[in-house]
Amino acid sequence: NAGVIQTPRHKVTGKGQEATLWCEPISGHSAVFWYRQTIVQGLEFLTYFRNQAPIDDSGMPKERFSAQMPNQSHSTLKIQSTQPQDSAVYLCASSLGVANERLFFGHGTKLSVL
Amino acid sequence: GEQVEQLPSILRVQEGSSASINCSYEDSASNYFPWYKQEPGENPKLIIDIRSNMERKQIQELIVLLDKKAKRFSLHITDTQPGDSAMYFCAASEGYGNEKITFGAGTKLTIKP
Repeated sequence: NAGVIQTPRHKVTGKGQEATLWCEPISGHSAVFWYRQTIVQGLEFLTYFRNQAPIDDSGMPKERFSAQMPNQSHSTLKIQSTQPQDSAVYLCASSLGVANERLFFGHGTKLSVL
Repeated sequence: GEQVEQLPSILRVQEGSSASINCSYEDSASNYFPWYKQEPGENPKLIIDIRSNMERKQIQELIVLLDKKAKRFSLHITDTQPGDSAMYFCAASEGYGNEKITFGAGTKLTIKP
């Protein structure tokens, strides 16, 4: 089991460009989560899916961020018109999907917006 | 939504002594409280958790205490070792079938030799 796979590991974009981050959850896990990690804010919840359906997107900045899970093997986080303040490590995690279960995190995508 | 406060943000202790991290939460419906450890360059990993039907849980040198009335929980690491140096995050879940987990801001623990 390779764990949660996130690609790319590093992404550099210019201000105003679009960034798409990819996540492959652990096979058999039905819940997929996206978090943003910065030194100042720590681990901020963005959104999560259960059985590919969006359940809670309360942490997503409304205007430029979107997430999808088109099939059970991958999820994407898209940031349009990236801004310097979007620079962070974006972590994807998966779990079995039963309430109160352990999250398995990927190694994250470090996004740098110049 | 749930808010989790974590203190201190930085903690330095002597090797062999104990380290304590304290967290508080707001939503009385939260019923699951995990702790994650993140070493430099690595992803966060679950180290211990406690559910609302318990007040204390211990796994080797890790002790978690939960005070539901005060909405506080804490992690205590006894006999600290250099390998305990890392970021530690407390968290709380919303419960009621919502798997969303809200994290505290983290504590950077450094064990001094």
